[in-house]
Amino acid sequence: GEDVEQSLFLSVREGDSSVINCTYTDSSSTYLYWYKQEPGAGLQLLTYIFSNMDMKQDQRLTVLLNKKDKHLSLRIADTQTGDSAIYFCAETNSGNTPLVFGKGTRLSVIA
Amino acid sequence: GAVVSQHPSRVICKSGTSVKIECRSLDFQATTMFWYRQFPKQSLMLMATSNEGSKATYEQGVEKDKFLINHASLTLSTLTVTSAHPEDSSFYICSANEQYFGPGTRLTVT
Repeated sequence: GEDVEQSLFLSVREGDSSVINCTYTDSSSTYLYWYKQEPGAGLQLLTYIFSNMDMKQDQRLTVLLNKKDKHLSLRIADTQTGDSAIYFCAETNSGNTPLVFGKGTRLSVIA
Repeated sequence: GAVVSQHPSRVICKSGTSVKIECRSLDFQATTMFWYRQFPKQSLMLMATSNEGSKATYEQGVEKDKFLINHASLTLSTLTVTSAHPEDSSFYICSANEQYFGPGTRLTVT
């Protein structure tokens, strides 16, 4: 089946930029998502990008997509302690197919 | 790694009937289970959060009397869609302890 891979942990200092990377195998992937999950909470959709885009910026968040390499990244500028959470990459090829999630990257922000 | 299973993976039911979906953590204890719903071409929406032995906490707009959630043990949570309607047709996904997701259940109500 299709697969989405992420590194499990990332630690950064407050004020630095964080870059979370994700790779996927579905060549027909159409929508790619980043979710944030804080301790004890459900998933929160952060941003998404369509496969016909290379980049999307939303305030402190920048998503880069390299469709050729099937590589997606999420950059968080000026990382704050409130950004500490688990970040999930997910993709779907649309239609009636479900999201395929990565296992999540736990971001720790050191003050 | 930790595995979460869901059963059934697909179900078709008639309008007005009830459907139960099971979510199990296979090799760990799930103190918290989350239930999500995903409509076609849309993102995942959190429906409710359940802690073992407690009543579930429902997100705004989710009818608790229609979507009954039971989390009676540390390895099993169930979602029952009561008096199902065609608009309940969706993909339902559970997750355990924040990070571990089940494979999902596709419900089609005819």
